[in-house]
Amino acid sequence: EPEVTQTPSHQVTQMGQEVILRCVPISNHLYFYWYRQILGQKVEFLVSFYNNEISEKSEIFDDQFSVERPDGSNFTLKIRSTKLEDSAMYFCASSAEIQPQHFGDGTRLSIL
Amino acid sequence: AQSVTQPDIHITVSEGASLELRCNYSYGATPYLFWYVQSPGQGLQLLLKYFSGDTLVQGIKGFEAEFKRSQSSFNLRKPSVHWSDAAEYFCAVGLMEYGNKLVFGAGTILRVKS
Repeated sequence: EPEVTQTPSHQVTQMGQEVILRCVPISNHLYFYWYRQILGQKVEFLVSFYNNEISEKSEIFDDQFSVERPDGSNFTLKIRSTKLEDSAMYFCASSAEIQPQHFGDGTRLSIL
Repeated sequence: AQSVTQPDIHITVSEGASLELRCNYSYGATPYLFWYVQSPGQGLQLLLKYFSGDTLVQGIKGFEAEFKRSQSSFNLRKPSVHWSDAAEYFCAVGLMEYGNKLVFGAGTILRVKS
């Protein structure tokens, strides 16, 4: 069964550094999403992306965050200047139509 | 605001016993409804979904869920739990008009005792 693939599985970064989280969505999917889960908290929506533009973003997704689909297969989340509170598990998801969304295994981001 | 409530943080059941995990949502219209499961170190796997039609939906791994509009509920059930079902279960609402985002409940951790 096709899967959403995320790399790396664990990223350790110094505070203030830029980080790029990578995702390869399922190949025929058109809708892409990022979520995060801070340890012990709910899974939270960050952003949705369709037709090469952001369709919705949450309050968390401020100017430090950006998303890009640089080619036909990758979908990236960039955090420009990381903060301690950005430490979380980040999940990428994709969907063929509006729903349902299929999730990757996540990238654990640790900010030191 | 839209919200999803899973009132049980932890549930422990014996292997072979039946299971029901509760989920209530707050939303103005009938949303898309989902249950996902997460094993330790893994991503979120879709168990089942409800979009419209028959209010009893079947999913993978022997799970089913029933949508009750009058109670704004979407409870997950399994008639006989296996030790491999131990995981965290998340109920979610899909909001088409908000970029198709999912709003998740806090999750219920299922422990299975032998």
